[in-house]
Amino acid sequence: AQKITQTQPGMFVQEKEAVTLDCTYDTSDPSYGLFWYKQPSSGEMIFLIYQGSYDQQNATEGRYSLNFQKARKSANLVISASQLGDSAMYFCALAGGSQGNLIFGKGTKLSVKP
Amino acid sequence: DVKVTQSSRYLVKRTGEKVFLECVQDMDHENMFWYRQDPGLGLRLIYFSYDVKMKEKGDIPEGYSVSREKKERFSLILESASTNQTSMYLCASRLAGGWGGNSPLHFGNGTRLTVT
Repeated sequence: AQKITQTQPGMFVQEKEAVTLDCTYDTSDPSYGLFWYKQPSSGEMIFLIYQGSYDQQNATEGRYSLNFQKARKSANLVISASQLGDSAMYFCALAGGSQGNLIFGKGTKLSVKP
Repeated sequence: DVKVTQSSRYLVKRTGEKVFLECVQDMDHENMFWYRQDPGLGLRLIYFSYDVKMKEKGDIPEGYSVSREKKERFSLILESASTNQTSMYLCASRLAGGWGGNSPLHFGNGTRLTVT
């Protein structure tokens, strides 16, 4: 069975500093993908970044990067130079298997302090 | 930009009512999904559909059904609403061909349903 775990219910970070949100996963699929989504207070789910299990390099998208450690089954999201607008819930998700449906972690609430 | 539209932002229904949550996407996506989101539980998959008239159960289908008569529309039905179905419901769509960085889920803004 697939499992995804986010152990930090809430995090605080000072504006302009970097922050790492943790995500660990468990799957027996040899091929899988990891996603991060942001959900501001408005409720919309915004796709941030994707990492494939066979990707050789860690994914990056602007201020977002994914610290992918396959042997440790972790896929942490790193946000550099935090902004007030980064305050939101962040969800890690795992996709794999023949259908590739996403399963989501419970989320981490990030608060950026001015 | 992909647009996934959920017909209602907020709904209040009474126990026992039949409730329809509607979702429409405008990008010709084959795959559509219904999730519910509860604090501390994350998002859980209720039903999904990979094509018109096709549907499959997700992780928590009990008490729900779905309908997909047209490619762009995916409806979630609560046959007899109960208070434990009070939740945020999120619809999503994506291209066929499985998952990947080039076919992430695109979500609607959600429907917050309260059953009293």
